[in-house]
Amino acid sequence: QVQLQESGPGLVKPSETLSLTCAVSGYSISSGYYWGWIRQPPGKGLEWIGSIYHSGSTYYNPSLKSRVTISVDTSKNQFSLKLSSVTAADTAVYYCAGIAAAGNSIDYWGQGTLVTVSS
Amino acid sequence: EIVLTQSPATLSLSPGERATLSCRASQSVSSYLAWYQQKPGQAPRLLIYDASNRATGIPARFSGSGSGTDFTLTISSLEPEDFAVYYCQQRSNWPPGITFGPGTKVDIK
Repeated sequence: QVQLQESGPGLVKPSETLSLTCAVSGYSISSGYYWGWIRQPPGKGLEWIGSIYHSGSTYYNPSLKSRVTISVDTSKNQFSLKLSSVTAADTAVYYCAGIAAAGNSIDYWGQGTLVTVSS
Repeated sequence: EIVLTQSPATLSLSPGERATLSCRASQSVSSYLAWYQQKPGQAPRLLIYDASNRATGIPARFSGSGSGTDFTLTISSLEPEDFAVYYCQQRSNWPPGITFGPGTKVDIK
């Protein structure tokens, strides 16, 4: 059974960098799938942040591209998100996800972690 | 950039009734469309992929149809656990990416 678990600070100060890690269990991150991040501001809809393949190829939402870095560590079977220069608008539940075939469907989801941007 | 529009925003129905949810794309997405269900405090759950294929473990009362720009998610007979928010999602080849519709909330009438 594939499981994803996000970890990282729940509170980040404005202008700082948000950093989250997603640990994958039950599946080798190198075996396939794209791995990505999706966020959901409180009471709002879903927004794709970006995706990475185990080879390191990355795809980012154009609206966030200048601030986002997604990386993968196959030795630890995990991948990470960094979002720089955060503001209150980046407050959201952040989900890590396993994505089939470059985006046909998001088959696996982490439980989500709330990140609040506040001083 | 492809934009997804969902209608209605809210659908008020009773258990046992049929629910019909619509998702429209601003340009053709072929059959690269998925549907998700999200309940409060939970992550979304994949229901349908490639427009009409049920994901593993999804009950047969959920069905998807459509291609090109117009898609439909149908719940044939609403169960109490089906009251939730439903999102459609597409993937684009260039630029590579994923977009979601704004969601349809199915609530109890």
